[in-house]
Amino acid sequence: LAKTTQPISMDSYEGQEVNITCSHNNIATNDYITWYQQFPSQGPRFIIQGYKTKVTNEVASLFIPADRKSSTLSLPRVSLSDTAVYYCLVGEPHNAGNMLTFGGGTRLMVKP
Amino acid sequence: EAGVAQSPRYKIIEKRQSVAFWCNPISGHATLYWYQQILGQGPKLLIQFQNNGVVDDSQLPKDRFSAERLKGVDSTLKIQPAKLEDSAVYLCASDWGVNEQFFGPGTRLTVL
Repeated sequence: LAKTTQPISMDSYEGQEVNITCSHNNIATNDYITWYQQFPSQGPRFIIQGYKTKVTNEVASLFIPADRKSSTLSLPRVSLSDTAVYYCLVGEPHNAGNMLTFGGGTRLMVKP
Repeated sequence: EAGVAQSPRYKIIEKRQSVAFWCNPISGHATLYWYQQILGQGPKLLIQFQNNGVVDDSQLPKDRFSAERLKGVDSTLKIQPAKLEDSAVYLCASDWGVNEQFFGPGTRLTVL
């Protein structure tokens, strides 16, 4: 089971782009990378998932280099409401029990 | 569509008492998860069901925790007897097999 390492916390200002990097040196061939967002007093919410190169949706972009040993979640033009904890998970979809290890996450604080 | 429902939202009990949590997943989601989230930490998987069968319960403290999912829909998680260290938020999540989990609001348990 691939272990992930993320910064404990990050600060940013409204309107800036925020990049959160996750290290996963032991990622396996069939593993995907998934990011979740969690606000206080709520359950985590799926943000984005990818396997390689770049994935973009209406909320974020996910950049994965060729060696896949790390990934970067990019949040464009953050607002105060993006203050949350962001979790990076690595595992194989459809493989029961393989993708369910949350680390400590990165606590993002967006300031006015 | 309706999200994952959990009840109660809050529960306060004395140590050595029993408590039960209920979860109703999103309709059609075959996989259901229970997580424990201690303050300041990421969610920790307790048990995973596929329909009404257990896929992974390796981190469930079976001497005091039990869970069931009758008819492959609703699920209950029980703690008997509770300990002080069981104070946490208990999250239920469901998915249809592609690892985009949908989380409920959680039940905040305080053991005194």
